[in-house]
Amino acid sequence: ILNVEQSPQSLHVQEGDSTNFTCSFPSSNFYALHWYRWETAKSPEALFVMTLNGDEKKKGRISATLNTKEGYSYLYIKGSQPEDSATYLCAPSMDSSYKLIFGSGTRLLVRP
Amino acid sequence: GAVVSQHPSRVICKSGTSVKIECRSLDFQATTMFWYRQFPKKSLMLMATSNEGSKATYEQGVEKDKFLINHASLTLSTLTVTSAHPEDSSFYICSASAGQTGGRNQPQHFGDGTRLSIL
Repeated sequence: ILNVEQSPQSLHVQEGDSTNFTCSFPSSNFYALHWYRWETAKSPEALFVMTLNGDEKKKGRISATLNTKEGYSYLYIKGSQPEDSATYLCAPSMDSSYKLIFGSGTRLLVRP
Repeated sequence: GAVVSQHPSRVICKSGTSVKIECRSLDFQATTMFWYRQFPKKSLMLMATSNEGSKATYEQGVEKDKFLINHASLTLSTLTVTSAHPEDSSFYICSASAGQTGGRNQPQHFGDGTRLSIL
């Protein structure tokens, strides 16, 4: 069974703080790593799909890095805003499978 | 773009009822659709993968006769929970991918989910 771990489980920060979360996954047979943002009462929104070791992607104040050799990805949020409050999910896929294995997510709450 | 609509959003029904959940891609053709289930405070668990015009591929431990999946067109997949019982109460969510099976860079686009409560 593939083990995908996300830490921390939850995080409370003040508006303006920068923050980061971790996603760990088995490095063998890695194929791609997805990040999603899931706001309450909405559907999960795709943030990034990364495939190569050393990949860095950025979308506004949010960025992500990928290390496939050691099996981890970081998600960074610069200058957190209340609207960033959501659960952030990572999901690797292994081999050539299109199937995603989701972590339990990091729940972020940004206080105004 | 890439909007997925899932209906209904909430179902409450008696034990023994069969419940159908629809997942539609509104502005793209979904080669592959996925059905997930989420238990409280747990991660999304893939139940099955459906490709248009072929039988769904079920994950280990998911009863295919219990959870019937039909992917009749490139824009519609349905999940039917047959003869639902209280233990089937859960949050079910679908996603769709426009890419070919195995496409490395294709994100999945999710519906809003269906909360199923069986009394």
